[in-house]
Amino acid sequence: KNQVEQSPQSLIILEGKNCTLQCNYTVSPFSNLRWYKQDTGRGPVSLTIMTFSENTKSNGRYTATLDADTKQSSLHITASQLSDSASYICVVSASDYKLSFGAGTTVTVRA
Amino acid sequence: DGGITQSPKYLFRKEGQNVTLSCEQNLNHDAMYWYRQDPGQGLRLIYYSQIVNDFQKGDIAEGYSVSREKKESFPLTVTSAQKNPTAFYLCASSPRTSGRSYEQYFGPGTRLTVT
Repeated sequence: KNQVEQSPQSLIILEGKNCTLQCNYTVSPFSNLRWYKQDTGRGPVSLTIMTFSENTKSNGRYTATLDADTKQSSLHITASQLSDSASYICVVSASDYKLSFGAGTTVTVRA
Repeated sequence: DGGITQSPKYLFRKEGQNVTLSCEQNLNHDAMYWYRQDPGQGLRLIYYSQIVNDFQKGDIAEGYSVSREKKESFPLTVTSAQKNPTAFYLCASSPRTSGRSYEQYFGPGTRLTVT
């Protein structure tokens, strides 16, 4: 069964600090891995998408890494801001429409 | 939220009633999807449609029905047969489903509460 596990479930950080979220998956065959940001009560918004050949991709203060050999990905948030408070969802695709979603990591940034 | 709209944002229904959730997109996307989100769980696929007048069941289609009469519209009906309908429902769309890994764009969601 295709699975996506995210850790930690939640974390609290002070404004200006960095944090790293983890994603482990067992999805096979692998097509791509995406990170989404979801604000409370809103739909997810794409941050990055990486294929097998890509091992890092940045979007502003967000940097995602991918190790397809160990089936692990991470999302690093640099110099966190209050607006970074949200749920971050790791999504792995075995085909173009069939996506496997992680349960998300809830990040709370405090002033 | 791109060019996808969902209405209403909040919906309350009594148990035993059918309810239809609206999803409209103006992105000219071929494919549309319905997901259900529950606390502590990842999104689960209910139904998807790759083209007008065609749709397929996802992982949790029981108790739900859809139609795709127009390219821009993909309404979801939650029937009385759905045992646990209270959830956050998300609609998404993508340019197409085959040939490349197309991005899925999500709507703002509808929170359905059934009592």
